Amino acid sequence: DAGVTQSPTHLIKTRGQQVTLRCSPKSGHDTVSWYQQALGQGPQFIFQYYEEEERQRGNFPDRFSGHQFPNYSSELNVNALLLGDSALYLCASSLVGTSGLYEQYFGPGTRLTVT
Amino acid sequence: SQKIEQNSEALNIQEGKTATLTCNYTNYSPAYLQWYRQDPGRGPVFLLLIRENEKEKRKERLKVTFDTTLKQSLFHITASQPADSATYLCAPIGGYQKVTFGIGTKLQVIP
Repeated sequence: DAGVTQSPTHLIKTRGQQVTLRCSPKSGHDTVSWYQQALGQGPQFIFQYYEEEERQRGNFPDRFSGHQFPNYSSELNVNALLLGDSALYLCASSLVGTSGLYEQYFGPGTRLTVT
Repeated sequence: SQKIEQNSEALNIQEGKTATLTCNYTNYSPAYLQWYRQDPGRGPVFLLLIRENEKEKRKERLKVTFDTTLKQSLFHITASQPADSATYLCAPIGGYQKVTFGIGTKLQVIP
C-alpha cells in the first residue's frame, strides 16, 4: 500500500519564477492538504482540497494556488516566487467521513529553495 | 489571534524516564487535538488524537491529556528510548478541519 508521494524531492528556482509541486495521496484517501514548513517552524496550513474543490484556505496570498484531479492527486502552484517561499512543502492526505478524518498521512515533502 | 505554544527548546531526558511535553493554546477552543512526530527532513507522522470530551488517551507507551479549562495538552512518553528522539508537534483542530501546528519540541533521549 503506497503512502503519500511527492515530487520532486528538491527544487531550486529563481525569484519571480513559477513552480508546480505534485502529490499523490495514500491509496483510498480523497482529501489533500498542503503545508509550508520553514526551517525550525511547525507546518503552516496552505489549503485543502476535496472533490476537486478548495475547501479551506490558510493565510497565504493568491500566488499560492492548487488543483485536485479526479484521481485525488493534487498540485500546488506558486507564482512570482519570493526568497521567503523557500521551505519544505508538505502534502498530507486523509479520508472524509470516517473516524480517521483528522488522521493525516504526510508525504516526505518537497524542499524548495528560491535564490 | 490563535496561538500555540510548545517548548521551543530541546528537552533532554535519560533513557527509561518519562518525557513530558507541553502544548498551550490561546484564543480558540479546538474540538480535537493531535500529536505528531517529525524526524529531520521527513514529514510528520500521526501519533494520537484526543477529543475535547476526553481527558486522557493512551497508546502503548504514549499518553495524552487534554484540559480545555487550562487550554493545555500534555504528551507523555514512558520508558523513553533513544529511538524516541525526534521533534514532537502539537496540532489543535479548530473550526472545520483547520489544523494548526505548534513549533514543536525537540526531544533527545540520552542512553
